[in-house]
Amino acid sequence: GESVGLHLPTLSVQEGDNSIINCAYSNSASDYFIWYKQESGKGPQFIIDIRSNMDKRQGQRVTVLLNKTVKHLSLQIAATQPGDSAVYFCAENQADRGSTLGRLYFGRGTQLTVWP
Amino acid sequence: GAVVSQHPSRVICKSGTSVKIECRSLDFQATTMFWYRQFPKQSLMLMATSNEGSKATYEQGVEKDKFLINHASLTLSTLTVTSAHPEDSSFYICSASDRSKATGELFFGEGSRLTVL
Repeated sequence: GESVGLHLPTLSVQEGDNSIINCAYSNSASDYFIWYKQESGKGPQFIIDIRSNMDKRQGQRVTVLLNKTVKHLSLQIAATQPGDSAVYFCAENQADRGSTLGRLYFGRGTQLTVWP
Repeated sequence: GAVVSQHPSRVICKSGTSVKIECRSLDFQATTMFWYRQFPKQSLMLMATSNEGSKATYEQGVEKDKFLINHASLTLSTLTVTSAHPEDSSFYICSASDRSKATGELFFGEGSRLTVL
């Protein structure tokens, strides 16, 4: 299940199940969104991205959905594997700050744990 | 794929000393690099945008005299934490954009863990 508290939200799933990680973003002018995976003690690793003119994008085992009406982003991981265990962050590029692509604002993150 | 390297990966220093962290793009040129800090169990917080050949742009609330950024070449940006204190202990991460690519794909370094005693 999923829980939210003072620390990182957590999501625990069994190997082979599908995982859905959610993210709410703050700025309606954001035009580009990225999902990152971060393993302990390492830098973020790119998973998938989506621009604001799209509402869905698929990669290998992953799908990102964007709902601009409610400013919500989700990452779906199919057939989750133990190697998927990590912290997942969404990040937004806020165009109205005159931002160069790369000035990213990260969401809170979700700790995904996959049980064998 | 492109690689961004940070050095050192771990550093321990005494309170009051200064520490320099390097961020290098190994196989591409980066006009712009970005510095983030991350406290345990928390998200990445953007600190500043490092611009090659010009002054860095700092995010609101980040002390520019505390966190000195120098971007002397198209492949190197440095972050110097001056007069470090225990509350500066954190994971510092840089990212860089490949200027040769229209999509501006971003690459992150592996981070540098600073511990101030």
